Amino acid sequence: QVTLKESGPVLVKPTETLTLTCTVSGFSLSNGRMGVSWIRQPPGKALEWLASIFSNDERSFSPSLKSRLTISKDSSKSQVVLTMTNMDPVDSATYYCARIDPIQIYLFFDFWGQGTPVTVSS
Amino acid sequence: KVMTQSPATLSASPGERATLSCRASQTVATNLAWYQQKPGQAPRLLIYGASTRATGIPARFSGSGSGTEFTLTISSLQSEDFAVYYCQQYDNWPPRFTFGPGTKVNIK
Repeated sequence: QVTLKESGPVLVKPTETLTLTCTVSGFSLSNGRMGVSWIRQPPGKALEWLASIFSNDERSFSPSLKSRLTISKDSSKSQVVLTMTNMDPVDSATYYCARIDPIQIYLFFDFWGQGTPVTVSS
Repeated sequence: KVMTQSPATLSASPGERATLSCRASQTVATNLAWYQQKPGQAPRLLIYGASTRATGIPARFSGSGSGTEFTLTISSLQSEDFAVYYCQQYDNWPPRFTFGPGTKVNIK
């Protein structure tokens, strides 16, 4: 059974760095064409892809946020970690991690975590 | 690439047919997925490869299109289908993903 679960602070202050952890089960982060992404959604707004990391350690980032993002994985712990620097109130959102389907020739998100809300406020 | 969706809101009655559109600013071939999101829930994959239903998705959901124009059709709306629908594309490797702004399907 594939599951993903996000964890991290609910509240961060402006200019601080956000660190979020996605803990996965039911699949390995080191096998095949496995990938995990972070996606966020401000209240009442659309989904926004942030970053992805793959089993071969290749990474990709949203061009508009690339300078502020880091993504890493620890396969032994089944965790993917996202850091976002210089947080601002506009970064308040629900942050999701999602698995990229490892089998099909297309790239899409087949399993999602429940999301973790983050508010940026002093 | 920029994704647009229309309409922004669609009001329909149970049993009606719903047609949602997604347009890409440049061709994405059939690298297009659709998701359904209900309030307070994570998105759920409906369609990938523009037209392939994901596991467990009812046959009333169908996807079509290629290149820059795509359609999600719900043949007969059920009460549980009232939600927001997003399209998603990707390009290059390593991939960069883009979601559309969403279409909200309301009960008329």
